[in-house]
Amino acid sequence: AQSVSQHNHHVILSEAASLELGCNYSYGGTVNLFWYVQYPGQHLQLLLKYFSGDPLVKGIKGFEAEFIKSKFSFNLRKPSVQWSDTAEYFCAVNADNAGNMLTFGGGTRLMVKP
Amino acid sequence: DVKVTQSSRYLVKRTGEKVFLECVQDMDHENMFWYRQDPGLGLRLIYFSYDVKMKEKGDIPEGYSVSREKKERFSLILESASTNQTSMYLCASRKLTTEAFFGQGTRLTVV
Repeated sequence: AQSVSQHNHHVILSEAASLELGCNYSYGGTVNLFWYVQYPGQHLQLLLKYFSGDPLVKGIKGFEAEFIKSKFSFNLRKPSVQWSDTAEYFCAVNADNAGNMLTFGGGTRLMVKP
Repeated sequence: DVKVTQSSRYLVKRTGEKVFLECVQDMDHENMFWYRQDPGLGLRLIYFSYDVKMKEKGDIPEGYSVSREKKERFSLILESASTNQTSMYLCASRKLTTEAFFGQGTRLTVV
């Protein structure tokens, strides 16, 4: 069964610091990968997605993620965070042997101090 | 814009009640999902449906059932609500080739 691990549960950064959130998945075949963000009181929104092609994916609001197949990883990065990036971030995977099932990690709560 | 609408934002129910959570999407997506979101546990899949009248169990189906009589509507049923089902419930829909789109969530409190 597919599974997703997000090792950082809580991250606190100052504005302008660089961000990297880890995401590892368990399946060795073809995967589709996603990062979602949930701002306080709002619904989940897509930050970026990987289906195929260039493993470096750029998303909204200056976020990017790199798919490294050999490491089963899809880490999220942003070179300089802002206070408005305070939110919870979720990594998700859909493996080709899991049909339509979309599995999420446990989430990382990011707090950016002004 | 894709819209996924959940019928209630907040619900308070008594232990033992039968509870219905409704979700409607307007983008003709084949796949619909019900998750529950709890602090520190992320989103856990309860059930999903890949077509009308078709359903599959997710990771935590116990105590829940679902119904999909029409393509646009996916209902989550708590047969006999218990306090450990107090949670945020999220509905989502997607095509296989797209990301999932989420509703605003229903915060259910069982007292």
